[in-house]
Amino acid sequence: GVTQSPTHLIKTRGQQVTLRCSSQSGHNTVSWYQQALGQGPQFIFQYYREEENGRGNFPPRFSGLQFPNDSSELNVNALELDDSALYLCASSSQGRWGYTFGSGTRLTVV
Amino acid sequence: QKEVEQNSGPLSVPEGAIASLNCTYSDRGSQSFFWYRQYSGKSPELIMSIYSNGDKEDGRFTAQLNKASQYVSLLIRDSQPSDSATYLCAVNRDNYGQNFVFGPGTRLSVLP
Repeated sequence: GVTQSPTHLIKTRGQQVTLRCSSQSGHNTVSWYQQALGQGPQFIFQYYREEENGRGNFPPRFSGLQFPNDSSELNVNALELDDSALYLCASSSQGRWGYTFGSGTRLTVV
Repeated sequence: QKEVEQNSGPLSVPEGAIASLNCTYSDRGSQSFFWYRQYSGKSPELIMSIYSNGDKEDGRFTAQLNKASQYVSLLIRDSQPSDSATYLCAVNRDNYGQNFVFGPGTRLSVLP
């Protein structure tokens, strides 16, 4: 399946954070979503073959990487209180099939 | 108008009843449609996908798609308390990318 680390994280406003994801075997596309409490997931960006393949309405302080082994990172600089959310990594094969989500990282910014 | 809309609920149904969840989308060019179930504090889990107009059945779940009306629904027959969760509608705007847009979700409560 898709694994994410860490599961929970508490950071201070202004700090930087890196979240990690290992895709499901055979999946070459990874997407990151932010889910605030009581809302649906919001698309941050997607990577395919180590290149950014689409981006949602998030500022440049949200950045990412995908590695040759299809693992991925989400980096957030200059954390704000509103960045507190569940961050979901989802992997898939190119095509129209649905995502497989990881268990998520709960980020709290204080 | 939001791209994908759902009633936030909560939708309460008695055990054994049919739960009907609805979703509308704004992009007429959308190609594929998904229903995810999300238990509180957990990540979304794919339960149904549908690509063509009409009905698709999988066990107790039936997805219905009407592209002309830009409407997709999920029926859950013989609802169980374990079906209590938030149901997310997701729309993929093309067949080859994974350009998903999620609705806000409908919270379903199945009462014993």
